[in-house]
Amino acid sequence: EVQLVESGGGLVQPGGSLRLSCAASGFTFSSYEMNWVRQAPGKGLEWVSYISSSGSTIYYADSVKGRFTISRDNAKNSLYLQMNSLRAEDTAVYYCTRELMRFLGYWGQGTLVTVSS
Amino acid sequence: DIQMTQSPSSLSASVGDRVTITCRASQSISSYLNWYQQKPGKAPKLLIFAASSLQSGVPSRFSGSGSGTDFTLTITSLQPEDFATYYCQQSYGTPRTFGQGTKVEIK
Repeated sequence: EVQLVESGGGLVQPGGSLRLSCAASGFTFSSYEMNWVRQAPGKGLEWVSYISSSGSTIYYADSVKGRFTISRDNAKNSLYLQMNSLRAEDTAVYYCTRELMRFLGYWGQGTLVTVSS
Repeated sequence: DIQMTQSPSSLSASVGDRVTITCRASQSISSYLNWYQQKPGKAPKLLIFAASSLQSGVPSRFSGSGSGTDFTLTITSLQPEDFATYYCQQSYGTPRTFGQGTKVEIK
């Protein structure tokens, strides 16, 4: 069974940093592209970042470019999102998602990031 | 960036109704269009990929159509478990933009 389990969310002050992790199991992690998608409270879905299966290709939404860094460790079956210079508007549930043929077939349960003083 | 516009933003329907949700792209995206269903407090779930392909395990009352800029998600005979918010997403270009969502409520 495919499982994606996010962790690392919490309360952080504006300007602070947080590192999200996503533990993958039930599939060959190194064969799949991965994404982070977020959802602010009461709002719609916003794509955040993409990483290829090898980690060689990375994309970011303009809203996080220069502040967030996506990475993966295929040996540990893990996906990461390093978030720096956090702003109030980054407050959201962050989902780890598995991509196949350009669709997001599996999603984790999400981890809540709250940026507030 | 490619903008995705869904209509309507919300709708009220009864069990057994046929429901149609439209998604329009700001430029041609071929068939790179996916549909997701999200229930309150839960992660989104993939329903349709590549505009018209039904994800495994999704009931056949869900169907998708369209190509280019105009797409449709149809639910024939709405069931109680279908009351949720539906999102389209283009996967033609980066950023992989989502529509704003369509909330399907009980009439």
